[in-house]
Amino acid sequence: DAKTTQPNSMESNEEEPVHLPCNHSTISGTDYIHWYRQLPSQGPEYVIHGLTSNVNNRMASLAIAEDRKSSTLILHRATLRDAAVYYCLPGGTSYGKLTFGQGTILTVHP
Amino acid sequence: GAVVSQHPSWVICKSGTSVKIECRSLDFQATTMFWYRQFPKQSLMLMATSNEGSKATYEQGVEKDKFLINHASLTLSTLTVTSAHPEDSSFYICSAPSTGSEAFFGQGTRLTVV
Repeated sequence: DAKTTQPNSMESNEEEPVHLPCNHSTISGTDYIHWYRQLPSQGPEYVIHGLTSNVNNRMASLAIAEDRKSSTLILHRATLRDAAVYYCLPGGTSYGKLTFGQGTILTVHP
Repeated sequence: GAVVSQHPSWVICKSGTSVKIECRSLDFQATTMFWYRQFPKQSLMLMATSNEGSKATYEQGVEKDKFLINHASLTLSTLTVTSAHPEDSSFYICSAPSTGSEAFFGQGTRLTVV
């Protein structure tokens, strides 16, 4: 699996956009980039994934750099319920067998 | 969406006893499930891959005789922590891959060994 680098923590105000960066410079050409988040005392939940193109879903957007060595998860309007640890997971196609790094702790202020 | 359910959500047991944790895929079949462990303020660590109808595959450093995994049906995997000790206290989480692009995780089981 590709090595990832994410900031340990980030803070945001409610209703503001949040950009969560991830560096994955050793990613292989066929690896998708997955993002999961873990709310306190819960199991992780899927957020979004992509390969090369930017992706949008109801939860977030994923912006992938042209060289694929980095990506950014975008929460368009943060809410208090978005406070969680966000994990960037570039990896193979064995969905479910995921290698978690330390992730980014997102704090959302009212 | 697909749901993975874990039971119990939390359990307290005495040192030396065994504890069983169940992981069920509620509306889909899962020939493979995964078990993770998470210590406080740490990330998830994969313990083992549970395979329906065959032996589990354990990650390096995980004692297979201590963490017994059984995957007897397409919707149920169980993790039994045998002879539990306080250092086994942790948050145990299972997951199952969907046929699509995402993995579904259980809500986790908080094990406290006293």
